[in-house]
Amino acid sequence: SQQGEEDPQALSIQEGENATMNCSYKTSINNLQWYRQNSGRGLVHLILIRSNEREKHSGRLRVTLDTSKKSSSLLITASRAADTASYFCATANTGGFKTIFGAGTRLFVKA
Amino acid sequence: DVKVTQSSRYLVKRTGEKVFLECVQDMDHENMFWYRQDPGLGLRLIYFSYDVKMKEKGDIPEGYSVSREKKERFSLILESASTNQTSMYLCASSLYRGSYEQYFGPGTRLTVT
Repeated sequence: SQQGEEDPQALSIQEGENATMNCSYKTSINNLQWYRQNSGRGLVHLILIRSNEREKHSGRLRVTLDTSKKSSSLLITASRAADTASYFCATANTGGFKTIFGAGTRLFVKA
Repeated sequence: DVKVTQSSRYLVKRTGEKVFLECVQDMDHENMFWYRQDPGLGLRLIYFSYDVKMKEKGDIPEGYSVSREKKERFSLILESASTNQTSMYLCASSLYRGSYEQYFGPGTRLTVT
């Protein structure tokens, strides 16, 4: 069953602009994570936000979590061509064994 | 840095063949996972293992089996490959139960003809 659903499915922006991706999920979670996948490669963990946190920053990344709306957003500021990738949200219940990934947002940053 | 390696980047097999996909991690992680990734469906969990010789079914285990004889190695087996198993297969590991960050291998793109 698919827990996280990203929106939009695809996003195209100019270098230097900000990119915002959203994720909605259905059930209670322990945490929510964002991963990046460059074309045809494995996923790389970007950031984890716990269910009792509302906002988290890491470099140019800002993640928010609204558990009342069961949604999260990932903001990439001052995007670069190298940020071109697919971004996935993933939700986990306590224990960490059943992390459920969404279908992803494809981001294209034009130089 | 954690390194997760997979035995092949690309693999082409015929229908009915037995297929082995190997995954090795070098950081003494307890947990290992196998996913398949298909367009529009995200990653779906096939099997996971939280210890040597331990395995648990994920969301789509049908047609697959796994083996974990050593802590660092987790193998995915397609007993009799079918065309609907054509996919990207991703292996991942995480440190221990309760650690959520997963480290992924580069993936194996399997084509079954």
